[in-house]
Amino acid sequence: AQSVTQPDIHITVSEGASLELRCNYSYGATPYLFWYVQSPGQGLQLLLKYFSGDTLVQGIKGFEAEFKRSQSSFNLRKPSVHWSDAAEYFCAVGARAGNNRKLIWGLGTSLGVNP
Amino acid sequence: ETGVTQTPRHLVMGMTNKKSLKCEQHLGHNAMYWYKQSAKKPLELMFVYNFKEQTENNSVPSRFSPECPNSSHLFLHLHTLQPEDSALYLCASSQRSQETQYFGPGTRLLVL
Repeated sequence: AQSVTQPDIHITVSEGASLELRCNYSYGATPYLFWYVQSPGQGLQLLLKYFSGDTLVQGIKGFEAEFKRSQSSFNLRKPSVHWSDAAEYFCAVGARAGNNRKLIWGLGTSLGVNP
Repeated sequence: ETGVTQTPRHLVMGMTNKKSLKCEQHLGHNAMYWYKQSAKKPLELMFVYNFKEQTENNSVPSRFSPECPNSSHLFLHLHTLQPEDSALYLCASSQRSQETQYFGPGTRLLVL
């Protein structure tokens, strides 16, 4: 079955520390992969996406993610976290459903940032 | 206005009320979506519209009735809701169906 797993429900890091949020997926073919961020009371904002090509993708706000086919992972990273990065982060996979693609969502990882 | 807008941002309604949520996208996209976001659950896709035609209805109860008069506007008409329908309702749009989706800020709905 197609699924997305974000193993960490909540992570807290210190401001200035590095960050890695994990995302694993289960899908038979090459997926489209997305990371979105949701600040409190807001909708989801696209951070970055992978469709094909270079497996290391750069996104907005200094985030990057690496697609590793052998590990079925698409982990999100940032070298130095800012207090404004505190939010909920969602990983999603675009899986084929007939002629369309269906987005399958993880449960999200809540990021806290200590000053 | 830019991006995807939703009104109202907050809504409190009784179980016998009728209300509507509105979504407007200013991105020139052709596909629009309604999602329900509840705590501790994955984002739930409710409806998909492509070029004003409904292409997906994920077994949503009939008390939720979508309407898409054109590619820029999407409505969700609500009637006789239940308390478990309280959630954040998100609208999204994309250039084509199920490609990169752009979200609005959501409507926080509370059903009493």
